[in-house]
Amino acid sequence: AQKITQTQPGMFVQEKEAVTLDCTYDTSDQSYGLFWYKQPSSGEMIFLIYQGSYDEQNATEGRYSLNFQKARKSANLVISASQLGDSAMYFCAMRERDSGSARQLTFGSGTQLTVLP
Amino acid sequence: NAGVTQTPKFQVLKTGQSMTLQCAQDMNHEYMSWYRQDPGMGLRLIHYSVGAGITDQGEVPNGYNVSRSTTEDFPLRLLSAAPSQTSVYFCASQRGGRVETQYFGPGTRLLVL
Repeated sequence: AQKITQTQPGMFVQEKEAVTLDCTYDTSDQSYGLFWYKQPSSGEMIFLIYQGSYDEQNATEGRYSLNFQKARKSANLVISASQLGDSAMYFCAMRERDSGSARQLTFGSGTQLTVLP
Repeated sequence: NAGVTQTPKFQVLKTGQSMTLQCAQDMNHEYMSWYRQDPGMGLRLIHYSVGAGITDQGEVPNGYNVSRSTTEDFPLRLLSAAPSQTSVYFCASQRGGRVETQYFGPGTRLLVL
């Protein structure tokens, strides 16, 4: 079974509007972390936001917020006031067993976001 | 502070050739990882290391070797390149700790003919 599922291969949004990128995950661990990364056309991976499974508040970083619904196992990324520079591939990732030695990430297949002028 | 660096940026190999992808970080991070990125599949973990002298396999380790003789360096070796290893390779590092994020290098594009 897929551990991280991103069901939107591509999304379009008008400049200055908000957009939600979906991510659902599958884990039996109680302690885990969820990440979002941005990959522009230049190829580098840029960390955006982190949500821990025990965090009570939804994470926010500037225009990025994470809509964390633990019971539904979803961790959607919300980008407010989209900018042309937000056009990129976005990856959701999960780290299980945060307190253990396995600190590696499992990635979803990504969502290609295009911001329209 | 250069962060995570990778060399080369781009490489073309013939089937059966061997090569080493270099990765270095100057942040004194304990953890280092290698991922490969194929179209439509996100990133998949090849090998990782939790400290100098300690390495372990990830999801797709076959055809690759790693070693970690220093904290800074984590080279990835392709023993006998195959066309299926055509991919973009990312190295990443992070500190220990529950919420630490991974920092990625710029990637190496590998084409195996």
